[in-house]
Amino acid sequence: DAGVTQSPTHLIKTRGQQVTLRCSPKSGHDTVSWYQQALGQGPQFIFQYYEEEERQRGNFPDRFSGHQFPNYSSELNVNALLLGDSALYLCASSLALAGASYEQYFGPGTRLTVT
Amino acid sequence: AQRVTQPEKLLSVFKGAPVELKCNYSYSGSPELFWYVQYSRQRLQLLLRHISRESIKGFTADLNKGETSFHLKKPFAQEEDSAMYYCALSGWRSGGYQKVTFGTGTKLQVIP
Repeated sequence: DAGVTQSPTHLIKTRGQQVTLRCSPKSGHDTVSWYQQALGQGPQFIFQYYEEEERQRGNFPDRFSGHQFPNYSSELNVNALLLGDSALYLCASSLALAGASYEQYFGPGTRLTVT
Repeated sequence: AQRVTQPEKLLSVFKGAPVELKCNYSYSGSPELFWYVQYSRQRLQLLLRHISRESIKGFTADLNKGETSFHLKKPFAQEEDSAMYYCALSGWRSGGYQKVTFGTGTKLQVIP
C-alpha cells in the first residue's frame, strides 16, 4: 500500500487561473480531508468528503471546491487564483467508522505557487 | 469555535534533557486531542492521541481538561526527536462529522 498519494508534486500557476489537485486515499479509507498549509503555519482545514459529499467545511471561500469519486479519490479545485493561495496543499484520509478519535494519514502534499 | 495554541515556534534542548511541548486548546465540548510530527523531508504523521493513553517513542501527553492543555513530554531528548510537532483537536459537529484544527506547530531542535 502506497498510502495517500497526491498529484502533482509541484505546480506553478498565474493569478486568475484555475487549478485541480488530486488525491488517492490509503487503501480501505473512505474519508478525504483537504488542508492548506502556508509557510510557517499549521495545516488549515478546507473541507472533508465522505460518500462523495462535502461533509464539513472550513473558512475558505467558494473558489475552493472539491469532489470525491466512487473509488474514494478526491480532487480539490481552486478558481480565480490569488497570490495568497500559494501554499502546500495536503490531503489526508481516514475511516469514518473510527469516529472522532480517528487517525488521519497524510499525503506528501502539492506545492502550489501562484505568480 | 475550536482553537489550538502552541506558544513556542522553536524549542531547543540538549540531548538527554527533558522536553515539554506546550499545547492549549479551546473547545466547548469534549475534544479528541492528537500530536502529529513531521520529520525532515517526510510527511505529517500521527505521534499519539489522548484517547489511547499510550507512550510512543518515549513521548507522553496527558489531557488536562481543567487547564485545557495537552502538553507533549519526554524525559530524555534524543537527536532523532528533532522535528516539527503539531497539536491537533478533533471536534464533533452536528450530524456527527469531525473537524480537525491544528496548531501552528513547534520546531523541536535537539542539540548534540
